[in-house]
Amino acid sequence: AQTVTQSQPEMSVQEAETVTLSCTYDTSESDYYLFWYKQPPSRQMILVIRQEAYKQQNATENRFSVNFQKAAKSFSLKISDSQLGDAAMYFCAPNFGNEKLTFGTGTRLTIIP
Amino acid sequence: GAVVSQHPSWVICKSGTSVKIECRSLDFQATTMFWYRQFPKQSLMLMATSNEGSKATYEQGVEKDKFLINHASLTLSTLTVTSAHPEDSSFYICSVRPPAGGLETQYFGPGTRLLVL
Repeated sequence: AQTVTQSQPEMSVQEAETVTLSCTYDTSESDYYLFWYKQPPSRQMILVIRQEAYKQQNATENRFSVNFQKAAKSFSLKISDSQLGDAAMYFCAPNFGNEKLTFGTGTRLTIIP
Repeated sequence: GAVVSQHPSWVICKSGTSVKIECRSLDFQATTMFWYRQFPKQSLMLMATSNEGSKATYEQGVEKDKFLINHASLTLSTLTVTSAHPEDSSFYICSVRPPAGGLETQYFGPGTRLLVL
């Protein structure tokens, strides 16, 4: 079975600091995509960053970057220079090749002013 | 701008009535759309995959006769909650997969809050 684990139900970070959200998964597939989505209080799902499993280089989008360790099946999200607008639920959601996203349980991120 | 729209954004209905939720792809034609439900403080749970011109594929445990999905055009999929009961109260979200490829990201609608009294 393909599973996704987000072991941190809640995280908090001081504004302007850096925080890392963890995600591990289990799959027998070799080619897949990994995504981090953000869900703010409005509940609109917003794509934060994506990573192709065949690429060794970690994806980066401005203040957001990932640490992708394929062998360890780990896909963590690093948020640098945290801002108040980053407060949200963050979901790790791989696509293991069957067109479906498999969502983790989410991490609620609080930004402390 | 928005890629996916949903209507209505929220709905309150009486127990036993049916409610229809629309999901529209605004920027591209979508042969595949997805329907999720999300309970408070929980993750998204995939209910079904909606395929244009064919029957939807339901996830295990989802009652197909209760949650009717119609994908009649390349830009519109509808979810009808039939004979709604209070336990059907939830947040329903649709998503659209771009036609480029199966492993690409999905774009999500803003969601529909359903409250069944």
